[in-house]
Amino acid sequence: KQEVTQIPAALSVPEGENLVLNCSFTDSAIYNLQWFRQDPGKGLTSLLLIQSSQREQTSGRLNASLDKSSGRSTLYIAASQPGDSATYLCAVLGTGNQFYFGTGTSLTVIP
Amino acid sequence: EPEVTQTPSHQVTQMGQEVILRCVPISNHLYFYWYRQILGQKVEFLVSFYNNEISEKSEIFDDQFSVERPDGSNFTLKIRSTKLEDSAMYFCATAGQRNTGELFFGEGSRLTVL
Repeated sequence: KQEVTQIPAALSVPEGENLVLNCSFTDSAIYNLQWFRQDPGKGLTSLLLIQSSQREQTSGRLNASLDKSSGRSTLYIAASQPGDSATYLCAVLGTGNQFYFGTGTSLTVIP
Repeated sequence: EPEVTQTPSHQVTQMGQEVILRCVPISNHLYFYWYRQILGQKVEFLVSFYNNEISEKSEIFDDQFSVERPDGSNFTLKIRSTKLEDSAMYFCATAGQRNTGELFFGEGSRLTVL
C-alpha cells in the first residue's frame, strides 16, 4: 500500500524567507502528484498538479518538483508571507484511482 | 472560478441515526469522490464514482455507506446508522479526467456523532 510522508511536520519561518517542504512516497507507480493547502477547518485548495511524466510545475511563488524514481517531491515557496500560513498536503494518485495523502506540514510565517 | 459545493457545513446527529451529505460537483466534471478526515489524522479515500456507479472503494466504505447521484447534479453520501467513530470532516472532490485530472475539493461537511 502506498505510504506518503511529509517532513517536517511543522515549520515556522520569518516573513520573506524561502522554504522547502518535502514529500516522499513508497510506490513510484503513480499517475500524478498534487499539492494542496488547507486552512484550519476548511477544505483543500489545489496548488499544483504534476503529472508523472513531468519534473516540475510553477505557479507564482510556488514551485513543485517531482522525482518519481526516488519517490520524492518538494514544494518550494519563495518570499514567504504571513498569508501563506496553513497546512500543506501532498497527495499521490496511484493505481486504484485513489489519492493517498500525507499528514501535512503546518507552516507558520511570522510577520 | 468553478467550485465544489457541500451541504451541510456541520451536522450533529445521535448515534444510530441516518445522515446524508450532499455535494454539487463542478458542472463538466465526471469523476466524483468522497474523502474523510478524522481530526488530526490524514485525509482518507472512501469511494470514487463514475458513470452512475462506484469505481473503487476503500475498506472504510462498508455496508453502512452508500453513494448516489439521484438527480444528475447532486452527489450524495449516506451513512445508514452512524457510529461515534464516523465523526469526521467529509470532503467531496471532483475531477474532469480519471488519472490525469486535477482534483478539486469542496469545503467539507463536519459530522459530529453523539
